[in-house]
Amino acid sequence: KAGVTQTPRYLIKTRGQQVTLSCSPISGHRSVSWYQQTPGQGLQFLFEYFSETQRNKGNFPGRFSGRQFSNSRSEMNVSTLELGDSALYLCASSLLGTGTGSTDTQYFGPGTRLTVL
Amino acid sequence: QKEVEQDPGPLSVPEGAIVSLNCTYSNSAFQYFMWYRQYSRKGPELLMYTYSSGNKEDGRFTAQVDKSSKYISLFIRDSQPSDSATYLCAAFGNQFYFGTGTSLTVIP
Repeated sequence: KAGVTQTPRYLIKTRGQQVTLSCSPISGHRSVSWYQQTPGQGLQFLFEYFSETQRNKGNFPGRFSGRQFSNSRSEMNVSTLELGDSALYLCASSLLGTGTGSTDTQYFGPGTRLTVL
Repeated sequence: QKEVEQDPGPLSVPEGAIVSLNCTYSNSAFQYFMWYRQYSRKGPELLMYTYSSGNKEDGRFTAQVDKSSKYISLFIRDSQPSDSATYLCAAFGNQFYFGTGTSLTVIP
């Protein structure tokens, strides 16, 4: 079974631009979550999508948005890029994701390394 | 204060040593605890998954959760050079909270 794939793997943008990252989950998985990973803050939760609906959202500004398609593939968009947005963006898929007080196993993709100049 | 705190290390041990990795968390409502391993240029992969308090063993790895002290531990026995990676602890409440990771190097 193919794992989680993310495209592109590397991206260089300049301040003020916008960027779209893509994630294809494991076949059959309906939940996709996005994370930002930086050396100082570690892994931070951005949002989770399940069956095309945003189920949960972390503490990030509105410049960060996402969506999920009917085939469970997901995209994440960052508008008006800032230097501090330079990070590894990871997506993770799971069968059912998070419910009320429970969760199942997440499988991470290799990430997209975004550099903002 | 972060929800999950982890000593970043780095940690360097000789092959065959017992490794102890530790985290603390702040929210007593957390019920699910995980350890992930992340190799360079890769995404994290789940190592251990524990519900509530207690120990869980899988081969050379043992995960321990002490809810009374809000302490999470991962023990690696007979460490191998292939264990060299960054280890991330995580807790789940209404969302996942991760530690910043501990970098481990096992020297042959």
